[in-house]
Amino acid sequence: GQNIDQPTEMTATEGAIVQINCTYQTSGFNGLFWYQQHAGEAPTFLSYNVLDGLEEKGRFSSFLSRSKGYSYLLLKELQMKDSASYLCAVRDADSNYQLIWGAGTKLIIKP
Amino acid sequence: SAVISQKPSRDICQRGTSLTIQCQVDSQVTMMFWYRQQPGQSLTLIATANQGSEATYESGFVIDKFPISRPNLTFSTLTVSNMSPEDSSIYLCSVETGGEGYTFGSGTRLTVV
Repeated sequence: GQNIDQPTEMTATEGAIVQINCTYQTSGFNGLFWYQQHAGEAPTFLSYNVLDGLEEKGRFSSFLSRSKGYSYLLLKELQMKDSASYLCAVRDADSNYQLIWGAGTKLIIKP
Repeated sequence: SAVISQKPSRDICQRGTSLTIQCQVDSQVTMMFWYRQQPGQSLTLIATANQGSEATYESGFVIDKFPISRPNLTFSTLTVSNMSPEDSSIYLCSVETGGEGYTFGSGTRLTVV
């Protein structure tokens, strides 16, 4: 079956680093996405991984290990505006390439 | 990346009535996706809308309750029919934008009273 797990909530301090993990089980993996969603707003695209390894984009990095069914989103130099939910989603080729979404991790940044 | 204009942004509706949500994309796209997001929960795919064919609905969603139109490659509507309080949710449309993943409309916050 399809399953995506990520922590429900995390707390971090402004200026610090936080890693949000995502584990997944899908039969037809075709890429993993991370999205940021502020309360009351639509999700916005952060990163896309289809091959193993680390993708870096400014303060945000995303890592993928297909053999382990594992990804993480790394946020550096945390800012108060980074307080949001972070959604992990996997595209499943065996389900007509639709996105399977995790429940999201609510990240709380404290000064 | 594509820009999506979604209307209305929010509405409060009486039970038993219907609401039609519109999404206009600034470029031609093959597939448009309609999602529902309950407060504090993840996104649930309602259906995928292709131009020129009937929408494909996910398990638990039926055309009579959520009819979808896709008259051209830049526009789609989702209607929430015969609404009940359980339909209160945020409804989002989305399109694939190549290497940048998927872009979402700003969402429609629906409250059924």
